[in-house]
Amino acid sequence: QKEVEQNSGPLSVPEGAIASLNCTYSDRGSQSFFWYRQYSGKSPELIMSIYSNGDKEDGRFTAQLNKASQYVSLLIRDSQPSDSATYLCADLNTGTASKLTFGTGTRLQVTL
Amino acid sequence: DAGITQSPRYKITETGRQVTLMCHQTWSHSYMFWYRQDLGHGLRLIYYSAAADITDKGEVPDGYVVSRSKTENFPLTLESATRSQTSVYFCASSDSQGLSGNTIYFGEGSWLTVV
Repeated sequence: QKEVEQNSGPLSVPEGAIASLNCTYSDRGSQSFFWYRQYSGKSPELIMSIYSNGDKEDGRFTAQLNKASQYVSLLIRDSQPSDSATYLCADLNTGTASKLTFGTGTRLQVTL
Repeated sequence: DAGITQSPRYKITETGRQVTLMCHQTWSHSYMFWYRQDLGHGLRLIYYSAAADITDKGEVPDGYVVSRSKTENFPLTLESATRSQTSVYFCASSDSQGLSGNTIYFGEGSWLTVV
């Protein structure tokens, strides 16, 4: 069974620090990767997508992909209390009817 | 701009009863999905639909039935509810399968408790 693995946390970082969230995936056929943010009691919302090896930056967020190591990460610079949420990693394999496979999520706590 | 709406938002039902969760989207998206989210399991796909009258099983389809007679609606029915189906259910839609940055939009969720 194809899996996406994440540490459940909580990951606690002080305000202003860099938060580093990690994800590994088992399906070598996966081509696209996504990071979703989910506040408690709310629905997931897409914050980043990445398809090529390397880094992709969007504001305070940087997604990193290493297909050889089957590893995806999300860096959040200048972390704010409003970043406190659960971050879900997901991958997409077009060979399997393009269904997203989600990890269980990492809970991030940004402390004052 | 209603987007994607789910109803009911909260439901308590008894074991063995039939329950239908409704999902309606106003974007005319081709693809619609039903996920359940449980502690320790993350989001798991129950069923999805590529277009009206086209549905397919996801990872955890047992005990659920879907239909898609109209593009905008994708109801999920629990034929005979069990306690293991207590969960948060998210409906989602996309104008593609999620490729090339096309976003999957989630509804607000339906909290279902089976007692």
